[in-house]
Parts: sequence; C-alpha cells; structure tokens
Amino acid sequence: QVQLVESGGGVVQPGGSLRLSCATSGFTFTNYGMHWVRQAPGKGLEWVAFIRYDGSNEYYADSVKGRFTISRDNSKNTLYLQMNSLRAEDTAVYYCAKDQMATTTTFFDCWGQGTLVTVSS
Amino acid sequence: EIVLTQSPGTLSLSPGERATLSCRASQSVSSSYLAWYQQKPGQAPRLLIYGASSRATGIPDRFSGSGSGTDFTLTISRLEPEDFAVYYCQQYGSSPPATFGGGTKVEIK
Repeated sequence: QVQLVESGGGVVQPGGSLRLSCATSGFTFTNYGMHWVRQAPGKGLEWVAFIRYDGSNEYYADSVKGRFTISRDNSKNTLYLQMNSLRAEDTAVYYCAKDQMATTTTFFDCWGQGTLVTVSS
Repeated sequence: EIVLTQSPGTLSLSPGERATLSCRASQSVSSSYLAWYQQKPGQAPRLLIYGASSRATGIPDRFSGSGSGTDFTLTISRLEPEDFAVYYCQQYGSSPPATFGGGTKVEIK
C-alpha cells in the first residue's frame, strides 16, 4: 500500500535551517507531483509547496517563497523540503502529500503522518 | 486568491443524525475543483471527496458532496461514531494552487 514517511523535524532557533524528508513506497513516485502541507498547532491546513513529477517546476505559498525549497530524488523515491530563515510562525506539523496528477496541482490523495517543526529560542 | 469559508465552525449532533457542512468560495471554483478531507485528532487528513461530488476510494456512501460555483456542501447521511472529526474543504485549479477552508468540527452532542 501507499506509504509516505516524513522525518527531519525538530526544534530550531529563529533564523535557523532544517531539512525535511519524505520517503515514499507503494506507488510509482516518478509519475506524480508531490506537495508539502503544514498545520500550525490547533489551526487549519496550509498548502506550502508543490513539485512536478520530474522536478522541472516548483510552486510555493507566498508565506514561504524565497525561504523554502522543495526538491525530489526520483532515484530514491524521496521528497525534500529545505527550510531556511525559519520564523516562529513556521512552527507546525509538516505533511508530505501525493497529488493524483503529475504536472498540475489538484487534490491530495495520500498523506504522511507528519513531522513537527518548532521554531523557538 | 480564492478564500474558502466553512460553516458552521462547530456542529453538535448525535450518532445517526444527518450532518450538513457548508463551504463557500469568494469567487467561482473552476470546474468544481473542490475536495473534502476528514481529520481526526493526532492523525493526518484523509481525502473523502474530489471534483465536488466524487467519493475517494474506500469512502462509505454515507458521505456525499454537492455544489458548484461558489457554494458546496458535504453531507453525512447518518453519523457513525467514527465520523466525529474536523472536516476541511480545499479548492484547486487556481492561483495559488491550493487553498483550504478553516474547517468544521463535528462533535458529539
């Protein structure tokens, strides 16, 4: 079955960096676009970033543009999120999610269990 | 940017009752590109409905979606104990690529 497993979360100081990973299995990773979605404690869902199946294009929410970078390694079936210049408001559970399309953003048909990022001094 | 407003914020119902959740968009959602998710405490969201009315794989038929344009509805025909959760709507097909509503909590009365 489809599995998405995030890792790399933790506590980081404001201005610091963190790299999240999402290891996938159970589907042909190279056929689908992938996303990161986050959820601040007690709050709703916020889409963060999308990358096309081949890594050729990326899209970002305005709140993270210029600070976060989404990437993928299709040889390892793994998605990444490099987060720089972190702020307190980036504190959230970060989910990786699979799109049902390869090149455009639609809906999220599978989700990982999430990894918590806490930005605090 | 399309803003999605969900109502009510909280719905208090008993098992066996019918739940009707609303999602209103600030502008028309193209081609009914609207999805619904269920999230239970400590868990990831789960896709229920896409394309406004198509059930995702494995979703019971007590869940149904309807609507078009700016007004969409998720209906749970008879609430089961496992249906008490938070529900989110999400639009796709515009810029930014995906936005979510604020959520509706369905709680046990």
